[in-house]
Amino acid sequence: KAGVTQTPRYLIKTRGQQVTLSCSPISGHRSVSWYQQTPGQGLQFLFEYFSETQRNKGNFPGRFSGRQFSNSRSEMNVSTLELGDSALYLCASSTSGASSNYGYTFGSGTRLTVV
Amino acid sequence: GESVGLHLPTLSVQEGDNSIINCAYSNSASDYFIWYKQESGKGPQFIIDIRSNMDKRQGQRVTVLLNKTVKHLSLQIAATQPGDSAVYFCAESPNRDDKIIFGKGTRLHILP
Repeated sequence: KAGVTQTPRYLIKTRGQQVTLSCSPISGHRSVSWYQQTPGQGLQFLFEYFSETQRNKGNFPGRFSGRQFSNSRSEMNVSTLELGDSALYLCASSTSGASSNYGYTFGSGTRLTVV
Repeated sequence: GESVGLHLPTLSVQEGDNSIINCAYSNSASDYFIWYKQESGKGPQFIIDIRSNMDKRQGQRVTVLLNKTVKHLSLQIAATQPGDSAVYFCAESPNRDDKIIFGKGTRLHILP
């Protein structure tokens, strides 16, 4: 059974640019959540999508957005990149949300560096 | 407010000894608690979870204890091995469909 796949693994962008990250969940999983991980702030929740609808949202500015497609694949977009957006972006999938069996299954993340 | 924290950023344990990693949470309404392990270059990996109606749950070499009175969660790893070296996160969720909030993590070092 394939795990959660995130692409690309590494990305370098310039301040002011925008970026799109992709996440393919485990087959059959309908919930996809995104997290930002930095050394100083740890894992911070961005948003969660379930059946193509945003169900939960964290406290990030509107520059961070996401969407989910009918096949449950999800993308997140960050516009007008800032140096502080440099982080590991993690995607996690589950069957129905936080309390599904075994909680979330995470991908290996996309390492974004903004220069 | 929402926060899940850990008492120690780093813990060093002798190989073969038991490890105990502690976590304090602030949301008394949380219903679901999870421990994750993150190895270098990988995403967090589920270890074990526990619901608020339980105070202890055991897995393979791991035990999670929940003390709701003092809002404390702990992960016990028996006979610690080199492969247990990682960062451990506790996490909580208020209810079934809500987000999971992570603590800042404890790095476990295994001493030979």
